[in-house]
Amino acid sequence: QSALTQPASVSGSPGQSITISCTGTRSDVGTYNLLSWYQQRPGKAPRVLIYEVSKRPAGVSYRFSGSKSGNTASLTISGLQADDEGDYFCCSYAVSNTPIVVFGGGTRLTVL
Amino acid sequence: EVQLVESGGTVVQPGGSLRLSCAASGFAFDTFSMHWVRQRPGKGLEWVSLINRRADVAYYADSVKGRFIISRDNSENSLYLQMYSLTTDDTAVYYCAKEARGTQFVTFDFWGQGTLVTVSS
Repeated sequence: QSALTQPASVSGSPGQSITISCTGTRSDVGTYNLLSWYQQRPGKAPRVLIYEVSKRPAGVSYRFSGSKSGNTASLTISGLQADDEGDYFCCSYAVSNTPIVVFGGGTRLTVL
Repeated sequence: EVQLVESGGTVVQPGGSLRLSCAASGFAFDTFSMHWVRQRPGKGLEWVSLINRRADVAYYADSVKGRFIISRDNSENSLYLQMYSLTTDDTAVYYCAKEARGTQFVTFDFWGQGTLVTVSS
């Protein structure tokens, strides 16, 4: 099972909006709504931002939103803040011979 | 407060074995599936394995299937990862992660701080 495809890096200025894509296949993103997004700051464990494509856990800012179309999921961050800098990973349920979990390669967000 | 504390990471020679542990507290451990996720130095996250709450179902990534065994002891609130036939590709920080309530497979609401496994001669 291959990793999901994410852009290596994205950047934006404070206050702007950015979108990170996560492309899979019909065996994962395209079929299942079991897709999450994680933020990871340097030296820290990941933190869940979005689950089941578009749901936000308690405590996560409304500035983070998720969506999906076909085999591609997207994370949008609006009103960029310096604190949003870090790595972002998508994560999907997939079925190979058995159920598995597959991550995207990660996207480094730089706030200019 | 939910806490996940991994231990057992160390330097091991290629071909060697190692057992990682994750001590859980602050939640009803026996009601949640648990996962291991690893991160090679400077790289992205890679899912390794999951075990359901009753420990009667386990799944593995292809990269570790047949070499790693996940287990848990609900009486001790502990999760384990037994690793065999280690290669340099297994060098990584290993995280244990708790699956969120009411979700399946891919939503991890709590993570440990990670334990570093280095496979080197």
